Amino acid sequence: GAGVSQSPRYKVAKRGQDVALRCDPISGHVSLFWYQQALGQGPEFLTYFQNEAQLDKSGLPSDRFFAERPEGSVSTLKIQRTQQEDSAVYLCASSSGTGELFFGEGSRLTVL
Amino acid sequence: DAKTTQPTSMDCAEGRAANLPCNHSTISGNEYVYWYRQIHSQGPQYIIHGLKNNETNEMASLIITEDRKSSTLILPHATLRDTAVYYCIVRVWANTGFQKLVFGTGTRLLVSP
Repeated sequence: GAGVSQSPRYKVAKRGQDVALRCDPISGHVSLFWYQQALGQGPEFLTYFQNEAQLDKSGLPSDRFFAERPEGSVSTLKIQRTQQEDSAVYLCASSSGTGELFFGEGSRLTVL
Repeated sequence: DAKTTQPTSMDCAEGRAANLPCNHSTISGNEYVYWYRQIHSQGPQYIIHGLKNNETNEMASLIITEDRKSSTLILPHATLRDTAVYYCIVRVWANTGFQKLVFGTGTRLLVSP
């Protein structure tokens, strides 16, 4: 596709389960960002990749959150032992590096 | 990081101009002002950005004050499809040398018939 694709669009997890959220960026985009958006709030930065290198993970809330982009294309955000406070929309964005970020539609995680 | 301040919500009649203000009084000289919008259940969408000159594209105009401490996004002829949350963002340099977007809570614009 032409845009950023995220899957699954919706995920319901029981507290304590592990989840994995996938992001397919626009082909050729070097930069990839993950954001977390709680209900009624603006997106909050989680982490940034340039190709396969994770250059900033300062926004990851805890060590239960882990992101990877092993081949510099698809990225996965993994959340271990999910908690209720992890319920949010997780947004992925990619950029060619010239400025504009292209966002996916997000993955909505609900932890029961 | 530079912070932005926006009204929580605004109303606009269809066909009229929507003027969305933003304060960014602590902006640094090399930091850009970006505007994104987010329609319900979608990811944010880029609208426009600028450094110090006014900018216009097919979606909107961006007016930045001379001291760069505030800006206004103008949608010249608002339509119902412009109903969204509009984010004014300052693009800041992170310690690791890349630029990231720092979102606030945005302005919820409601365009009515």
